[in-house]
Amino acid sequence: DSGVTQTPKHLITATGQRVTLRCSPRSGDLSVYWYQQSLDQGLQFLIQYYNGEERAKGNILERFSAQQFPDLHSELNLSSLELGDSALYFCASSAGGGSNQPQHFGDGTRLSIL
Amino acid sequence: ELKVEQNPLFLSMQEGKNYTIYCNYSTTSDRLYWYRQDPGKSLESLFVLLSNGAVKQEGRLMASLDTKARLSTLHITAAVHDLSATYFCAVDWDFGNEKLTFGTGTRLTIIP
Repeated sequence: DSGVTQTPKHLITATGQRVTLRCSPRSGDLSVYWYQQSLDQGLQFLIQYYNGEERAKGNILERFSAQQFPDLHSELNLSSLELGDSALYFCASSAGGGSNQPQHFGDGTRLSIL
Repeated sequence: ELKVEQNPLFLSMQEGKNYTIYCNYSTTSDRLYWYRQDPGKSLESLFVLLSNGAVKQEGRLMASLDTKARLSTLHITAAVHDLSATYFCAVDWDFGNEKLTFGTGTRLTIIP
């Protein structure tokens, strides 16, 4: 158990809809990262938050947004969903701040768009 | 744009044999991570390599980093079935932001 909690585990929805994925980091970790894993794109970094502030952005679509709350949990919002958004979305956390500690991954949310 | 390439992509090997997975990356970095992923599961951290010449070992796995060659290796010694998984290397190239770019992964299957 990595200590990173993601909900829900599975999500099935339709094109055009909006969903919210939730992540609670390990106790004491200030950084939260979101990744998308799909067969064709592999594991792609989306966005990072550190202590409530956006720290780095990767290949995140404009239809996607995220935030980190004062209690350090994070949410990833996906809107105007398309078939190609079907993927496994991982949240990871680490101490951050250049600590060079490994990122610890949650179990992921599997998103299926019908 | 940073490129991280692993080879081979697929590896099928017999129990008891030795093999090496290679991870090449295209830009300067001295921070590289190895992860393991079982089918349908999360990623588990294996090794953190933070300097040129770093070598880490855990059980039958040993990882090394050559920053001048921009190359990391994951060596498997006397493979056992439990090591069957997909192995990813990930490069941290944006110092301070810890943005990881992952390799394509190597799917390892150990055959009895």
